[in-house]
Amino acid sequence: GESVGLHLPTLSVQEGDNSIINCAYSNSASDYFIWYKQESGKGPQFIIDIRSNMDKRQGQRVTVLLNKTVKHLSLQIAATQPGDSAVYFCAENGSGNTGKLIFGQGTTLQVKP
Amino acid sequence: GAGVSQSPSNKVTEKGKDVELRCDPISGHTALYWYRQRLGQGLEFLIYFQGNSAPDKSGLPSDRFSAERTGESVSTLTIQRTQQEDSAVYLCASSSSTSGGPYNEQFFGPGTRLTVL
Repeated sequence: GESVGLHLPTLSVQEGDNSIINCAYSNSASDYFIWYKQESGKGPQFIIDIRSNMDKRQGQRVTVLLNKTVKHLSLQIAATQPGDSAVYFCAENGSGNTGKLIFGQGTTLQVKP
Repeated sequence: GAGVSQSPSNKVTEKGKDVELRCDPISGHTALYWYRQRLGQGLEFLIYFQGNSAPDKSGLPSDRFSAERTGESVSTLTIQRTQQEDSAVYLCASSSSTSGGPYNEQFFGPGTRLTVL
């Protein structure tokens, strides 16, 4: 079946370091990928997205890399701050065309001061 | 408000009771989605609305689950004869897509935490 998975359930980094969160997806028909941040008690918040015709996209302090050959997605956060502590989810649109998203299990990012 | 709102924020119910969860999307957003998030897990798609129609109900786990949308605005997710395995956070999202297209950002509400005793 369709699935999106993450390599590590928890990532602990020092404040100021760069963070890399990884994600594997299985549906080769997916052509749109999104990273979401979810803080405790809140809904997911959009961070950055990328379409399959790109392999890299940069935002403010964040970069998403897409490797379609190995079906791998990563989120890089530069100069990680305590406010970045949250659960991060990758999501893909699968083979449908409705906007339905398929989410991974999530990686908890802990930033140590 | 400017964002997606959901009510109630918390709901505790007894097994076998029916519950209704409400979602108010961002004004003007035609697409609306319901997801379920079990503790420590990612989100599972339940149903998608475009306007008041639901072209994709593939994620509803059983016939105890139903949803409707009226006025191309408010949506209600109803769970009948609740079971303990229904305990989860139910999240609603809306987007401005007019065709259900896959490239429009989905804005999420804070969710309703449902606990079935």
